[in-house]
Amino acid sequence: AQTVTQSQPEMSVQEAETVTLSCTYDTSESDYYLFWYKQPPSRQMILVIRQEAYKQQNATENRFSVNFQKAAKSFSLKISDSQLGDAAMYFCAYRNRDDKIIFGKGTRLHILP
Amino acid sequence: DGGITQSPKYLFRKEGQNVTLSCEQNLNHDAMYWYRQDPGQGLRLIYYSQIVNDFQKGDIAEGYSVSREKKESFPLTVTSAQKNPTAFYLCASSIDHSAEYEKLFFGSGTQLSVL
Repeated sequence: AQTVTQSQPEMSVQEAETVTLSCTYDTSESDYYLFWYKQPPSRQMILVIRQEAYKQQNATENRFSVNFQKAAKSFSLKISDSQLGDAAMYFCAYRNRDDKIIFGKGTRLHILP
Repeated sequence: DGGITQSPKYLFRKEGQNVTLSCEQNLNHDAMYWYRQDPGQGLRLIYYSQIVNDFQKGDIAEGYSVSREKKESFPLTVTSAQKNPTAFYLCASSIDHSAEYEKLFFGSGTQLSVL
């Protein structure tokens, strides 16, 4: 069975600095998708970024980028120029070809002004 | 506007009672999901459905049941067999895996508490 592990329950970063959130996953499949979702205090889930496993190029979305290491089964999220609005829970998620989507336990990110 | 509607926002269950959480989407999505969120546990998959009249158990299906009689609806019943039902429940939907863009669209959630 697939698993997703986020080893950092909480992290803090100074405003305008860069922070990296870690995610590792375990799977025997070769074709899958990876996602980072953000959950602010409103509890509404928001997609941050996605990555297809067959693509070697790391995905980027404005200040958000990933470091996808397929062999190591690692999918970290880098947030550059951190802003107060980035404070939230961040979840890493894995989707297989059978549409099963599982999440890690999350990392709570604090932004220090 | 297209989206996912979950109701009610808050729900209270008495001991031994079954309760049903509603999830409706008008996005014409094939796949729908139910997740349970507890503090420190992230989102855990309860059930998911790829097409009408078919659904799969997730990682924590015991004590829950679902149906998928219509494409737009995927209700979740929390049965009396679920001894610790207090949690935040999130419904989501997605185009199937053949689509280019496959993100999950989430509802706003239902907070279930036991009286």
